[in-house]
Amino acid sequence: TQLLEQSPQFLSIQEGENLTVYCNSSSVFSSLQWYRQEPGEGPVLLVTVVTGGEVKKLKRLTFQFGDARKDSSLHITAAQPGDTGLYLCAGVLDSSYKLIFGSGTRLLVRP
Amino acid sequence: DTGVSQDPRHKITKRGQNVTFRCDPISEHNRLYWYRQTLGQGPEFLTYFQNEAQLEKSRLLSDRFSAERPKGSFSTLEIQRTEQGDSAMYLCASSLAGQSNVLTFGAGSRLTVL
Repeated sequence: TQLLEQSPQFLSIQEGENLTVYCNSSSVFSSLQWYRQEPGEGPVLLVTVVTGGEVKKLKRLTFQFGDARKDSSLHITAAQPGDTGLYLCAGVLDSSYKLIFGSGTRLLVRP
Repeated sequence: DTGVSQDPRHKITKRGQNVTFRCDPISEHNRLYWYRQTLGQGPEFLTYFQNEAQLEKSRLLSDRFSAERPKGSFSTLEIQRTEQGDSAMYLCASSLAGQSNVLTFGAGSRLTVL
């Protein structure tokens, strides 16, 4: 059983559409992160959220950490083909140092 | 380039052979992590070093796997008697001790076992 469940697993949308990716757990995380990974490369950190209820914006990307620090969402506005990739959420459990990853959401933005 | 370097980027080997991967972390980072990623999945934690000390090993790391960080700088991950199920991307990451949730990943070493 995956500690962090991501949904959907795969998303194919048209350029210009909006989308939301979810990351859910029954465990509490001291922090949660979102990474983007392209084929043949390592994950690249997009954002870290540490406070329950926190919302961070990065251009067209909006990240939210749930009030109870068990879940997070990533919303992309007006998706572009350059947003295509594997989006991974990852969290550090309270009293831990180890980063645990979700299974990922593969996004394809069609021109 | 001050990022995390991994070598080789790709390795194809026959079942039963030994392989070794090397990771050079960011120089001032004292924590180093190894993860394994199979196709369509997120990375899975394998092991972690703080300086030269290996502080945790995942149950995924069977007796055929060994990792070292002899001088607290670069690290090696060796897989002995490779099996087809070992085929995966092996990712290395590093961080500062006080920022264990801020990892910088290398590009990975992709292993294919025939």
